Amino acid sequence: GAVVSQHPSWVICKSGTSVKIECRSLDFQATTMFWYRQFPKQSLMLMATSNEGSKATYEQGVEKDKFLINHASLTLSTLTVTSAHPEDSSFYICSAAGTASNYGYTFGSGTRLTVV
Amino acid sequence: GNSVTQMEGPVTLSEEAFLTINCTYTATGYPSLFWYVQYPGEGLQLLLKATKADDKGSNKGFEATYRKETTSFHLEKGSVQVSDSAVYFCALSPANQAGTALIFGKGTTLSVSS
Repeated sequence: GAVVSQHPSWVICKSGTSVKIECRSLDFQATTMFWYRQFPKQSLMLMATSNEGSKATYEQGVEKDKFLINHASLTLSTLTVTSAHPEDSSFYICSAAGTASNYGYTFGSGTRLTVV
Repeated sequence: GNSVTQMEGPVTLSEEAFLTINCTYTATGYPSLFWYVQYPGEGLQLLLKATKADDKGSNKGFEATYRKETTSFHLEKGSVQVSDSAVYFCALSPANQAGTALIFGKGTTLSVSS
């Protein structure tokens, strides 16, 4: 089945630094990638939608200059948290939709970001 | 607009008990409906799905039937195991909107004790 690999699974960084999270579709072409943020014991909050080769579409209230999304190829999307602060600490999950998975969305395993 | 409402948790059951997690939705047309499961510290795994009315999705002993008349997609399992302890999310994909994000319910935590 469709597999999405997300790395790193966890990362600790210092305030003010930037962190990049990668999401790769291993066996299908991900025309669309979704990035979510999940707070403890809560549901997923959609941050942005990206289509390969296009600029990402951000949800209201999500700072596009802080959460940089790149979807340069059909198998790779990245989320960079710039100038991270402790309040950015969260669980980030990507999801990919491709031409071969019209009725399902494959999720990465998530990245636990802790900013100290 | 489109939305998903699922029962509040946590749901606490003993092993081999019957499970029902209610999910209702609001959407135009015929959305696709999904149940995802999330184990601690992990991403979401597709549990089952249904794409049209009266379809029944099933997997690993779980099942859910797409009921258009009641706009529901309740998750059931006849005999739960400790290993089923996780958070369950009901979600929909809006009709005729390929490439848009899933809309999730708030999640229901299931805890099964032996």
